Amino acid sequence: EIVLTQSPGTLSLSPGERATVSCRATQSVSRNSLAWYQQKPGQAPRLLIYGASSRATGIPDRFIGGGSGTDFTLTISRLEPEDFAVYYCHQYGSSLYTFGQGTKLEIK
Amino acid sequence: EVQLVESGGGLVQPGGSLKLSCAASGFTFSGSAMHWVRQASGKGLEWVGRIRSKANSYATAYAASVKGRFTISRDDSKNTAYLQMNSLRAEDTAVYYCARGETTVTNWFDPWGQGTLVTVSS
Repeated sequence: EIVLTQSPGTLSLSPGERATVSCRATQSVSRNSLAWYQQKPGQAPRLLIYGASSRATGIPDRFIGGGSGTDFTLTISRLEPEDFAVYYCHQYGSSLYTFGQGTKLEIK
Repeated sequence: EVQLVESGGGLVQPGGSLKLSCAASGFTFSGSAMHWVRQASGKGLEWVGRIRSKANSYATAYAASVKGRFTISRDDSKNTAYLQMNSLRAEDTAVYYCARGETTVTNWFDPWGQGTLVTVSS
C-alpha cells in the first residue's frame, strides 16, 4: 500500500498570499496518478487536479499541481476567501487506493 | 448533469447490517468503475472498495479494514451501485460517499455523491 504523507497539517495564511501543500508517497505513484481534492465542511470532496498537474473542469488557474514520482505539490497562487478548506492528495495508480491525511488551510 | 446520490444510511446496532445505494445519472454508468469512500467525523478520507465495469468483469477490491464484511455490487439496468455492510462495528461509523472512478478516458474519482451517514451504536 502506498502511504501518502501531507505537510503541513495546518497552514495559516491570509487572502492574497500563496499556499503550498506537499504530498509525499512511500513509493513511486504509477503514471503520476495523483489527484488533489478540496473539501469544505458538510460537503463532499471536489476534484481540483488529476494526473498530478491537470486542472479539472471549472477549476481556477490559481490552483497549480506539480511534481512526479514520489513528491507532489499543490500551490494556490493567490488565496481567495473561498479557498480556505481542507485539501487531500489521493493516488489512484494502485488498486489499493489511498489518501493523504489532509491539510487544513485556515485564515490567519 | 453528472450526479451521484447516496441513500440507505442510518443507525444500526453493532453486529448488524445495512445496505447503501448510489444512484447515478448524467453519464454512462455501465462503463464506469464505482468506488465507496468513507469519512469518520473530523477525520480524513478512507477508501472502502470499488467495483469495475462489465468490460472489466465487475472486478471488486476492498480495503483490509472491511474485507470479508462489506460487499460492493451494481445493477447497470438501474444505474445504481450498492454497498452491503455486515458485521458492523462502532469504527464503521462514518459518512459514506460513492464516487465514479475508472472510465475509458479517466481514472480519478469524480464526481462524488453528497454522502450518507452510517452510525453504528447500541
